Amino acid sequence: GQSLEQPSEVTAVEGAIVQINCTYQTSGFYGLSWYQQHDGGAPTFLSYNALDGLEETGRFSSFLSRSDSYGYLLLQELQMKDSASYFCAVRPSGGYNKLIFGAGTRLAVHP
Amino acid sequence: DADVTQTPRNRITKTGKRIMLECSQTKGHDRMYWYRQDPGLGLRLIYYSFDVKDINKGEISDGYSVSRQAQAKFSLSLESAIPNQTALYFCATSDRDRGRAGELFFGEGSRLTVL
Repeated sequence: GQSLEQPSEVTAVEGAIVQINCTYQTSGFYGLSWYQQHDGGAPTFLSYNALDGLEETGRFSSFLSRSDSYGYLLLQELQMKDSASYFCAVRPSGGYNKLIFGAGTRLAVHP
Repeated sequence: DADVTQTPRNRITKTGKRIMLECSQTKGHDRMYWYRQDPGLGLRLIYYSFDVKDINKGEISDGYSVSRQAQAKFSLSLESAIPNQTALYFCATSDRDRGRAGELFFGEGSRLTVL
């Protein structure tokens, strides 16, 4: 089976940097995705890591260490609009895009 | 118009009733999924389909059934709804192209309340 752990809540101030960690246990693994969901909205894709290392997309970066079964999402220059829930999701082997999601981290950005 | 459309967006029903949630997409994707979201539990996979002839159970398929009527349509049914099926339901699609791995496109969600 698969399981993912991420913090339930994180608080930060505008302009700061925040890191949301995700550890996973899977019987097989193709990659780790990150999604953002605002209250009342649909999850939207942020990034995907299949290989070890850092992927950067604007203010957001995502990191993966396959040997440590660990990844993180790094949000820089935080803005109020970044207040949302963030989900990591694993793509297990044999299940093309059949993603298994973590419980989510609620990020609150304060002035 | 949204690329992934779910109907109804909100539904209140009673225990024992049959409910169908419908999903249609204009993205031309082969793969379609139904997820359920509960507070504090994230999204859990109910069923997924890789084409019209392929239906697969996900993590929590008990009490649900699905139908892939066409490439663009994937419906979720609750044959006899019960209160613990009260949740937010999302339909999603993905592209067969491996370059889009890890990316799902979600509909706006269908909020179901079972009394």
